[in-house]
Amino acid sequence: GAVVSQHPSWVICKSGTSVKIECRSLDFQATTMFWYRQFPKQSLMLMATSNEGSKATYEQGVEKDKFLINHASLTLSTLTVTSAHPEDSSFYICSANRDYTYNEQFFGPGTRLTVL
Amino acid sequence: GQQLNQSPQSMFIQEGEDVSMNCTSSSIFNTWLWYKQDPGEGPVLLIALYKAGELTSNGRLTAQFGITRKDSFLNISASIPSDVGIYFCAGQFRLTGGGNKLTFGTGTQLKVEL
Repeated sequence: GAVVSQHPSWVICKSGTSVKIECRSLDFQATTMFWYRQFPKQSLMLMATSNEGSKATYEQGVEKDKFLINHASLTLSTLTVTSAHPEDSSFYICSANRDYTYNEQFFGPGTRLTVL
Repeated sequence: GQQLNQSPQSMFIQEGEDVSMNCTSSSIFNTWLWYKQDPGEGPVLLIALYKAGELTSNGRLTAQFGITRKDSFLNISASIPSDVGIYFCAGQFRLTGGGNKLTFGTGTQLKVEL
């Protein structure tokens, strides 16, 4: 149990377009979901934390108008990269908490975004 | 954002050797976690440590939560080729609204020579 999926697994887009990435908890309800960004040979950096039905909390330095997060249900969170530029090319990974008392975050397989 | 300092940055060892890596922070965490990430995939939890001083094993893996709650180490005994990957430590603390937040270490790249 506790499987998190992401779609798409990879995407290539033109500069200036918007890209939506989905994160789903397949067999549990996720009270909190997290979005991370990982550049090549670097660590995971938390971008934002989202709770179902409320606005996401963004980390310092992350532009909320550029990285739109919608946590519409307990099993789905989406990250939209608006007006993508080549410097947004990265590996985007989501994770989910099962409930407020459960410690573990379950990670998705990641989405590779390449902006041309 | 904050990152935890992990060392060594990379290791190239022979199959069968033991491996040790550690992680230090300037902040205190409630929980320390160790993850392994294979190329192009998300991280997978290896060991979770919940109490200062705790020593926990999972097969060939052993990890300890430092007494000061600012550090942790991970040991891998008798390494095998499938141990290759990047190992990340992560410090976890509770969010006031519920759930928790992770801060990841800088990572240790492990390569195993047959």
